[in-house]
This record gives sequence, structure tokens and C-alpha cells, in this order.
Amino acid sequence: DAGVIQSPRHEVTEMGQEVTLRCKPISGHNSLFWYRQTMMRGLELLIYFNNNVPIDDSGMPEDRFSAKMPNASFSTLKIQPSEPRDSAVYFCASIFSGRGAYNEQFFGPGTRLTVL
Amino acid sequence: GESVGLHLPTLSVQEGDNSIINCAYSNSASDYFIWYKQESGKGPQFIIDIRSNMDKRQGQRVTVLLNKTVKHLSLQIAATQPGDSAVYFCAERGSGRGGATNKLIFGTGTLLAVQP
Repeated sequence: DAGVIQSPRHEVTEMGQEVTLRCKPISGHNSLFWYRQTMMRGLELLIYFNNNVPIDDSGMPEDRFSAKMPNASFSTLKIQPSEPRDSAVYFCASIFSGRGAYNEQFFGPGTRLTVL
Repeated sequence: GESVGLHLPTLSVQEGDNSIINCAYSNSASDYFIWYKQESGKGPQFIIDIRSNMDKRQGQRVTVLLNKTVKHLSLQIAATQPGDSAVYFCAERGSGRGGATNKLIFGTGTLLAVQP
């Protein structure tokens, strides 16, 4: 099993540019999570999907952030326009969730985003 | 100037000693708890979990204790090795309307430094 796959692993961009982060969850998992990790705020949940449907996006910082999950094997997190304060490591995680399930989330390796 | 970030609690132990990492959680209705290990440059990795109907669970070299009365979780690592050096996060799965959710709330983390 390849685990959760994220791309790119590193992204350096200039303020104002659009950034798209990609995630492929583990095959068979039906819930997907996007997190952001910074020294200032630690690990924050941005949004999560269940069966490709956004369930909780209360952690999305503002309208510049958007996430989609067009199918069970792919999700994107887009920032437009990007700002220096968006610099962070963005993690994607997936899980198989079902009634009565007690399963851990599996994390990808993360995308380190630097906005200049 | 320097950025101000989270001040991670640090536990420094000698190789071969036992380590105990503590965590206070917030929601008395949380039904599932997980410990994650995060090494530098990597995503969080599952170590061990425990359900709220248990007070102790053992794995290989690790033990998790849950005290629901005081909302406290601990991770014990036996015979700590240099490879155990990492940031350790506890996470709780909250419950919402209609029962448990998939959402995890992460603690701020503890840095374990193993001295050879």
C-alpha cells in the first residue's frame, strides 16, 4: 500500500499566485482530511470530506481557501490568491469510517508551502 | 526578527530509560483517543489508540493510560531509544449531534529528546 500521496512535496510561490495542493487517499478509505501545521498554531483541521462530500469546513481560514473532492481517489486544496501567512506544511489524511468504527487517520508526507 | 511559535513542552530522557508523555484532553464526551508520533519532515504516524471504555492498552514498548475522571491521557514508552526522538501528539475524537464524528482534535505536542 502506497499510503496517502501528496503532491507537490515542496512549493515555493510568490504572493498573489494561485496554489493547488493535491492528495490521493488510501484506496478504500472514505473520509479525507486537510490539515495545516505551523509553529504558531500547531496542527489545525481545515476541512474534511466523507464519501466525497464536505462535512465540516469550519477550519478553512477564509474565502481564499477552497477544497474539492471530485472522486474517491483525489482531492485538491486551492489557495487563491496566496499570501505569505499561508506558508505552512499542509497535510492530507484519510480513514475508513463507518458506523461503530474506531480507526486512526493515516497522514500523508505533507506539502511544505512557502509564499514569498 | 525571530518568529514566536508554540512553546513545545520537551521531555529529555536517557537512552534505555522509560518515558512518560502526558496529555490533557478537553471533551468529556470524546470516545476515542490516539497517540501520534511526528518525526522531523514527516507526517504524523499512528502509535497506539484507546477507546473510552478502556483505561489501559498496551502495544509493543508502548502503553496508553486513560483517566476519564480528570480527562488525562498518557503515553509510556519503555526502554526509550534514539529513534523515539520526535514530537508526540495526543488526539481525541469528539462526539457531535447524532454520535461520534471523524474529527480529531490534536494537542499541541511534546518533544521527546533521547540522549544517547
